[in-house]
Amino acid sequence: SQKIEQNSEALNIQEGKTATLTCNYTNYSPAYLQWYRQDPGRGPVFLLLIRENEKEKRKERLKVTFDTTLKQSLFHITASQPADSATYLCALDSSVAGTASKLTFGTGTRLQVTL
Amino acid sequence: DTGVSQDPRHKITKRGQNVTFRCDPISEHNRLYWYRQTLGQGPEFLTYFQNEAQLEKSRLLSDRFSAERPKGSFSTLEIQRTEQGDSAMYLCASSFRLAGGLTNTGELFFGEGSRLTVL
Repeated sequence: SQKIEQNSEALNIQEGKTATLTCNYTNYSPAYLQWYRQDPGRGPVFLLLIRENEKEKRKERLKVTFDTTLKQSLFHITASQPADSATYLCALDSSVAGTASKLTFGTGTRLQVTL
Repeated sequence: DTGVSQDPRHKITKRGQNVTFRCDPISEHNRLYWYRQTLGQGPEFLTYFQNEAQLEKSRLLSDRFSAERPKGSFSTLEIQRTEQGDSAMYLCASSFRLAGGLTNTGELFFGEGSRLTVL
């Protein structure tokens, strides 16, 4: 069966450290993978997209890697700040023939950055 | 245009009642999606529209759920004969699909959601 797995346990890190979140998937062949941020009671907000032929993508303090052999994406936040505390969701294109019609989301990992 | 808006933000209803949610997408977006999210879970796909055509529905969507996008702009999601298991956050999202078969990355812009509580 198809699965998208993210750490269900919260990740607690100290301010200034690098946070690394993991997204593993099985029985998908996504053309791309996306990461979203979600604050409590709010809708998800898009952060980054990485395509299957890209190994790494960066945006400011964010970095995403995508390994289609391992079927894994890693999401890094460097120099983390308390304002980065949120739930981070990975999502991948699960539509037929990569028509970009449907995103399937993981369960999300809650990140807590403390002073 | 300030983004995707959803109404109402919160709805409390008694079991067996019908409820309707409205979504106004970003005006130039031709695709509109409905997702459902329960506590501790990621958003779960329900259905999506390209313009006014409903192109896909989740197998999880029972016959009590119906969605429309009559003029290819706003959309409504109706739940008939609500059950306690319908309690969730209902999220609407929109995106722009390029014409002519060009690749579209499918980035979604979400609204703030409509939280449903069924008593």
